[in-house]
Amino acid sequence: EAGVAQSPRYKIIEKRQSVAFWCNPISGHATLYWYQQILGQGPKLLIQFQNNGVVDDSQLPKDRFSAERLKGVDSTLKIQPAKLEDSAVYLCASSLSPDSGNTIYFGEGSWLTVV
Amino acid sequence: AQSVTQLGSHVSVSEGALVLLRCNYSSSVPPYLFWYVQYPNQGLQLLLKYTTGATLVKGINGFEAEFKKSETSFHLTKPSAHMSDAAEYFCAVSVAGNNRKLIWGLGTSLAVNP
Repeated sequence: EAGVAQSPRYKIIEKRQSVAFWCNPISGHATLYWYQQILGQGPKLLIQFQNNGVVDDSQLPKDRFSAERLKGVDSTLKIQPAKLEDSAVYLCASSLSPDSGNTIYFGEGSWLTVV
Repeated sequence: AQSVTQLGSHVSVSEGALVLLRCNYSSSVPPYLFWYVQYPNQGLQLLLKYTTGATLVKGINGFEAEFKKSETSFHLTKPSAHMSDAAEYFCAVSVAGNNRKLIWGLGTSLAVNP
């Protein structure tokens, strides 16, 4: 079974530029998450989708971050304009359903460096 | 509200020694508890989880954890460390229901010395 796919794996951009990350969840997984993980910290949930609807985006900096999951499968996370403090790993994850007992499966992450 | 505390941001053990990574939680309702592992330059992988039932949970790679309600703990153990166990370990807590957010600890970095 294919895992959660993310691209690109690594990205270096200058501050004020924009960047987009793509995620393809495990087939059949209705729930998709984007996490931000800063070095030395645990993951921070940015946004959670249930199919193509947003369930939780309370910690998404909406002035610069946006995410969509138009057809309920793939998702894109965009940052525009980027700030130095956005340097982090962006982890996409998916689970079968929003039941909190379900295992969340993570992709390998997209590593962003803002210079 | 739930919270998680991982005691010790860095733990170092010798190969073959016992691994003990500590996790304490706070929750006003019965928790769901998880341990995830993150190898260098990779995403997180579930080691084990407790939702209901038996309080001693066995996971992958020889790890296990015991839910102790009286101590509000969910410590991760492995009898004999391997070099390949060197990684970052995260404890997380949630509660039953849909769309219940996982609350993550800050992580413990495990080093295994030859």
